[in-house]
Amino acid sequence: EDKVVQSPLSLVVHEGDTVTLNCSYEVTNFRSLLWYKQEKKAPTFLFMLTSSGIEKKSGRLSSILDKKELFSILNITATQTGDSAIYLCAVEPSNTGKLIFGQGTTLQVKP
Amino acid sequence: NAGVMQNPRHLVRRRGQEARLRCSPMKGHSHVYWYRQLPEEGLKFMVYLQKENIIDESGMPKERFSAEFPKEGPSILRIQQVVRGDSAAYFCASSSSRQGTGELFFGEGSRLTVL
Repeated sequence: EDKVVQSPLSLVVHEGDTVTLNCSYEVTNFRSLLWYKQEKKAPTFLFMLTSSGIEKKSGRLSSILDKKELFSILNITATQTGDSAIYLCAVEPSNTGKLIFGQGTTLQVKP
Repeated sequence: NAGVMQNPRHLVRRRGQEARLRCSPMKGHSHVYWYRQLPEEGLKFMVYLQKENIIDESGMPKERFSAEFPKEGPSILRIQQVVRGDSAAYFCASSSSRQGTGELFFGEGSRLTVL
């Protein structure tokens, strides 16, 4: 059965800290891995990764995929209170048109 | 350009009643997905629809749940004879094509509470 596992499930840090969120997966016919940020409303898209070893970067956020070891990490540097959210990792098996989500990592950034 | 619109945002039903959740995709999007998020859990795929067609309903319970996406009007997720375990947030997402699911846009969800 296809599955996505995220760790840690929750994390509390202080502003300015750097955090690393983990996502491991087992899926048949992998196509892509995606990261979303969910505050108290709609999940918003962060990154889509399809190739190993190529870092995607957006401001203080970056992510990389390892297709051999079947995992991805999401890094956030110099965290701010506005980074507090649930971070969701999802995998898209090929040609299915659907995403398999992990359970999410709840990040709380304290001032 | 409005995003994905879901209504109602909050819905309270008693056990045995019916719940209808609506989703209007982004303009120009013809692919709609429904996901359910239970407390403390991630999003779980339920169903994938295109206009007038159910493409994949492998994540939807066989009984009491149905979905449609008519030629005109919003997509509707219908839950008959609701039970307490149906209490969850139901998210709709849309895309312009099946390819490149990274362009999946989510609505703000409909939160169903079953008393």
